[in-house]
Amino acid sequence: RKEVEQDPGPFNVPEGATVAFNCTYSNSASQSFFWYRQDCRKEPKLLMSVYSSGNEDGRFTAQLNRASQYISLLIRDSKLSDSATYLCVVSNTDKLIFGTGTRLQVFP
Amino acid sequence: ETGVTQTPRHLVMGMTNKKSLKCEQHLGHNAMYWYKQSAKKPLELMFVYSLEERVENNSVPSRFSPECPNSSHLFLHLHTLQPEDSALYLCASSQGPPGLYGYTFGSGTRLTVV
Repeated sequence: RKEVEQDPGPFNVPEGATVAFNCTYSNSASQSFFWYRQDCRKEPKLLMSVYSSGNEDGRFTAQLNRASQYISLLIRDSKLSDSATYLCVVSNTDKLIFGTGTRLQVFP
Repeated sequence: ETGVTQTPRHLVMGMTNKKSLKCEQHLGHNAMYWYKQSAKKPLELMFVYSLEERVENNSVPSRFSPECPNSSHLFLHLHTLQPEDSALYLCASSQGPPGLYGYTFGSGTRLTVV
């Protein structure tokens, strides 16, 4: 079983749509959780951390369910510039473990 | 400018060549990492250096040899690679436990082995 599992997509959505990505992780001892964004042929960049209480950053909302070992990312009012691959990331002590990513394509 | 600089950006090498990838950070971070990213696969951790000491070697073949001469520089020496080693090689650094601070990535070196 993969340590971090994501639906690879692609998710093709129109501008203004709301889209949600899900992720599951296998290690119940995982301590920290993140969403990274990776544009085509670029490096991954931190989008936001994910907290148990849920957290929001503008149009982006992240949720964590430790009992189900499940992480989500919700993007509201999608923009063309949101087109990218979204990587679910968990931390075990001294390193980050990445999912394969979910590709989002927002069209006009 | 990400704060972590990788050179070269692109590299094409034959299976008998020897080359090196370079990573440099002047963020004052204590830990540096090499990751491999292949198509449709998650980022694979290769090596971890903390305070210039290698703390993890994730079962990487010996044709990949890391070197960390100081806390700002990290190299990946390559020799007798195989075509399946073609990938994006990403360097990252962290100012502390990555669970607290995350990583800063370099732009990567896109390697093609012919």
